[in-house]
Amino acid sequence: AQTVTQSQPEMSVQEAETVTLSCTYDTSENNYYLFWYKQPPSRQMILVIRQEAYKQQNATENRFSVNFQKAAKSFSLKISDSQLGDTAMYFCAFTPSGTYKYIFGTGTRLKVLA
Amino acid sequence: DAGVIQSPRHEVTEMGQEVTLRCKPISGHNSLFWYRQTMMRGLELLIYFNNNVPIDDSGMPEDRFSAKMPNASFSTLKIQPSEPRDSAVYFCASSLALGQRGSFLPQHFGDGTRLSIL
Repeated sequence: AQTVTQSQPEMSVQEAETVTLSCTYDTSENNYYLFWYKQPPSRQMILVIRQEAYKQQNATENRFSVNFQKAAKSFSLKISDSQLGDTAMYFCAFTPSGTYKYIFGTGTRLKVLA
Repeated sequence: DAGVIQSPRHEVTEMGQEVTLRCKPISGHNSLFWYRQTMMRGLELLIYFNNNVPIDDSGMPEDRFSAKMPNASFSTLKIQPSEPRDSAVYFCASSLALGQRGSFLPQHFGDGTRLSIL
């Protein structure tokens, strides 16, 4: 079975510091996509970053970057220069290439402290 | 561009009443998804439409739940009769599927409907 595990239910970080959220997944697929979604208290689900498994280069979006280690099936999210607006629930998601089903992790609640 | 639009944002109703949730996907997207989010079960896929046709409804909890997509720009999720255990946040998401076995571009979510059944 394909699974996504986020082992950190809650984390906190001081404003302007860097934090890393972990995500591991289990699959026998070779081609797939990985995503991080952010859900702030306003409840929206916002796509933060995506990574294609066939790309070795780690994806980056402004202050957000990933450390994708395919052999280890690990996909961590690094947030640099944390801002108060980064306070949210973060979900890691996986989908095999060519399918529509997303498998979501249980989420990590991140709190950025002033 | 407008994102996925859901209405209502909040719905509070009494047990036994019919509830209808609405969704307008992003223009040009051909795939639409309904999800339910609860603390206990996280995000669950209820149903998936491709080109307005239901492809996978295996996540629909029971016959009280039904979903329709009469055209490319509108979908509804209906619960009749509603029960307290249906209380949750319901999300609609859309994406663009490129070919039958092609890539599915990322899903974009609406703001969700918080449903409370008393």
